[in-house]
Amino acid sequence: GAVVSQHPSWVICKSGTSVKIECRSLDFQATTMFWYRQFPKQSLMLMATSNEGSKATYEQGVEKDKFLINHASLTLSTLTVTSAHPEDSSFYICSARPGTSGFGTQYFGPGTRLTVL
Amino acid sequence: KQEVTQIPAALSVPEGENLVLNCSFTDSAIYNLQWFRQDPGKGLTSLLLIQSSQREQTSGRLNASLDKSSGRSTLYIAASQPGDSATYLCAGGYNTDKLIFGTGTRLQVFP
Repeated sequence: GAVVSQHPSWVICKSGTSVKIECRSLDFQATTMFWYRQFPKQSLMLMATSNEGSKATYEQGVEKDKFLINHASLTLSTLTVTSAHPEDSSFYICSARPGTSGFGTQYFGPGTRLTVL
Repeated sequence: KQEVTQIPAALSVPEGENLVLNCSFTDSAIYNLQWFRQDPGKGLTSLLLIQSSQREQTSGRLNASLDKSSGRSTLYIAASQPGDSATYLCAGGYNTDKLIFGTGTRLQVFP
């Protein structure tokens, strides 16, 4: 149980285009989902926290107009990278916290590799 | 500022050795401490979760300890195997629902 999927697993796009990444909790309802980015050989940095039905909370330094997050249902959150540029190339990982779990219980997706040419 | 650091950054050992990976955190008001494994280009696999009221957790060849007063956690891997090769991340959980990740230890176990 507690499986989180991401789609796509990898994507290559041209500079200036927008890319949408989906994060789904397959067998539980996630009241809270988290989006992280990871640069090569670096750790995970939290980008934003999203709660179902409300606006996402972004970490300091993360542009909310560039990284659009929608958490429309208890099993789906999407991250849209708008007007992507090469510096946005990274590994994006989502996680989901079941509504019945306490703080710190997050189940992670397999990640999405974004390459912007 | 809440920070988590890990040492060593990289470790290469022969098969069979017992290993200790270290994790330190600056904010002792930790809710829990987790250890994850990450294979190259992959997501995270949760290994062990220690609540703040606990001292240690064990799973198979893995044992993790937590000392809040000193701001440290260790992951002990017994009888290492080549399949243990991966990056190991620790993360501090706080009551803000955030996980603060460490910098990771890249482990290579060679036959």
